Amino acid sequence: QSVLTQPPSVSGAPGQKVTISCTGRNSNIGAGYDVHWYQQLPGTAPKVLIYGNNNRPSGVPDRFSGSKSGTSASLAITGLQAEDEADYYCQSYDSSLSVYVFGTGTKVIVL
Amino acid sequence: QLQLQESGSGLLKPSQTLSLTCAVSGGSISSAGYSWNWIRQPPGKGLEWIGYTYHSGSTYYNPSLKSRVTISVDRSKNHFSLRLSSVTAADAAVYYCARGKPFDIWGQGTMVSVSS
Repeated sequence: QSVLTQPPSVSGAPGQKVTISCTGRNSNIGAGYDVHWYQQLPGTAPKVLIYGNNNRPSGVPDRFSGSKSGTSASLAITGLQAEDEADYYCQSYDSSLSVYVFGTGTKVIVL
Repeated sequence: QLQLQESGSGLLKPSQTLSLTCAVSGGSISSAGYSWNWIRQPPGKGLEWIGYTYHSGSTYYNPSLKSRVTISVDRSKNHFSLRLSSVTAADAAVYYCARGKPFDIWGQGTMVSVSS
């Protein structure tokens, strides 16, 4: 039940900026529920990258930033590096489904 | 540093019951304010939240799985568990335990396969 929609992939050259969108509804992001972002490197468990819309846990580089507006949220990665090649998921809560929901996932490709 | 480790049945036949445990180390499962969650990821697909428990034993489940899911906590053993009944091929996935929310600490995951 992916009610948070993300682009399947985004790509950029090293050093460039990429942005991943997360489009939701009035029952999740639009209702004011926090959005969190996770990075999943190949073969590993997801890791929280951004929490509470725009907060970085200790140890996460400031190249990663989050924002939220209306029924959507975004994750921006500046100064793209080869090690950023991974899958990224947004996550929130949906009040009509009464469930924590994840986005469809976006693969970041470093050219 | 808090760590989570999943263990349990890796290969099941259709209609059997999946049983997994998440051991919590480096901290107490009774830490106030945290939920203890199960999340799964079918091969090559996205993440699905299954449900959570608090150290008090209160639980909340994904409505789509609610009829088949039981999550329990054992404070004396500092672990929590997942049972999923009547599994089918659609339940084959990597199962993660995670502290929430947000889901800030994850186990490494354990693969569960379903095959006759």
